[in-house]
Amino acid sequence: QLQLQESGPGLVKPSETLSLTCTVSGGSISNSHYYWGWIRQPPGKGLEWIGTIYYTGNTYYDPSLKSRVSMSVDTSKKQFSLNLRSVTAADTAVYYCARHTKSRGGYNYEYWGQGISVTVSS
Amino acid sequence: QSVLTQPPSVSGAPGQRVTISCTGSSSNIGAGYDVNWYQQLPGTAPRPLISGDNNRPSGVPDRFSGSKSGTSASLAITGLQAEDEANYYCQSYDRSLSGSVFGGGTKLTVL
Repeated sequence: QLQLQESGPGLVKPSETLSLTCTVSGGSISNSHYYWGWIRQPPGKGLEWIGTIYYTGNTYYDPSLKSRVSMSVDTSKKQFSLNLRSVTAADTAVYYCARHTKSRGGYNYEYWGQGISVTVSS
Repeated sequence: QSVLTQPPSVSGAPGQRVTISCTGSSSNIGAGYDVNWYQQLPGTAPRPLISGDNNRPSGVPDRFSGSKSGTSASLAITGLQAEDEANYYCQSYDRSLSGSVFGGGTKLTVL
């Protein structure tokens, strides 16, 4: 059974960089059928797409975050990562990593990590 | 403001049928992209409920079904049970954004 686990600091200071890692177990991160995404959920609010990375390193970002986001993948460690620069309180959220398919029909998120709560505060 | 629009809340008595709507536009649902639905219980990660408009992943009861028409989609839940009380999110792909879009979520209350 595929499992994803987010890790990283739970508290980040304003203007600094939020860095999270997702570790994949029970399956290959290099499987050509799948993509790896980050989604966040501010407290009491809905889900927001942050971006997606393919095992080759190709990335796709939400336009509203594109200037501050970068993602990377380390296939040897079966990990992919998220960096979000110049954070503010508005970036406080639960951050989820997920595996999804990409087809003519779009994206379908099949597996989700449990989520990690990140607070931006001094 | 979410790209996909859902009602903030719906409710129903045990055993009843409820539907949750998801309205998009010509750049997402109306463009023919799949609509997927997720169930989120408090404090947990979203759980896939419906994929590809109307397909249930293994383990999802057939009380849950999805449909799509034009720029909108719907999730129907029949034979409501107390355990169905949760937040429900629709999701699709948007060609203008070149990425995923989600609805704002609908809280289902079982009376």
